[in-house]
Amino acid sequence: EVQLVESGGGLVQPGRSLRLSCAASGFTFDDYAMHWVRQAPGKGLEWVSGISWNSGSIGYADSVKGRFTISRDNAKNSLYLQMNSLRAEDTALYYCAKDMVGYQGAGGAFDIWGQGTMVTVSS
Amino acid sequence: QSVLTQPPSASGTPGQRVTISCSGSSSNIGSNYVYWYQQLPGTAPKLLIYRNNQRPSGVPDRFSGSKSGTSASLAISGLRSEDEADYYCAAWDDSLSGHVFGGGTKLTVL
Repeated sequence: EVQLVESGGGLVQPGRSLRLSCAASGFTFDDYAMHWVRQAPGKGLEWVSGISWNSGSIGYADSVKGRFTISRDNAKNSLYLQMNSLRAEDTALYYCAKDMVGYQGAGGAFDIWGQGTMVTVSS
Repeated sequence: QSVLTQPPSASGTPGQRVTISCSGSSSNIGSNYVYWYQQLPGTAPKLLIYRNNQRPSGVPDRFSGSKSGTSASLAISGLRSEDEADYYCAAWDDSLSGHVFGGGTKLTVL
């Protein structure tokens, strides 16, 4: 069964850090780009970051550039998101999503999604 | 304020055909593929349409997508109660070098 399972969310104070993980199974992980997409409570979807199959191409939304770092370990079938200098506006449900292609830019679509991990930034 | 513009709500009665619009610009919809996602209440989004008008396996042919210029549309025919969900359009934006989403349209089946 194709599956993505996120973990690492929780309550964190503003300015602190958190690392999210996404464990993939049921498909050839290193063939595809992967992404993080977030959804603030009661709000719409926002793409956060994407990484190509070989980590050769990485992109970030302007809202997280310089604070968040995406990475992957193909040997462990895992995707990560290191979040530093967290702000209240980063509070959201963070989804891990598989791309239909290996490159993280134009042309891809997110065909498999995890159930998300909640990040709450509050003092 | 989302880069792609969708109406916040839409509605229809069972069996009816409804359309949801998505408006963008030359840097996103005008030059790249459009995708549509369905998010049922309390669940993760699901890919409904990719590359403007292609359906992943398992998606009923009641769902169809189209694109013209800098706008796109999702059509749902033979509306069913289980279609009640939030629908999001998305595209790659060349200027932002990132994926962008519409604000979402909440579909109510009356």
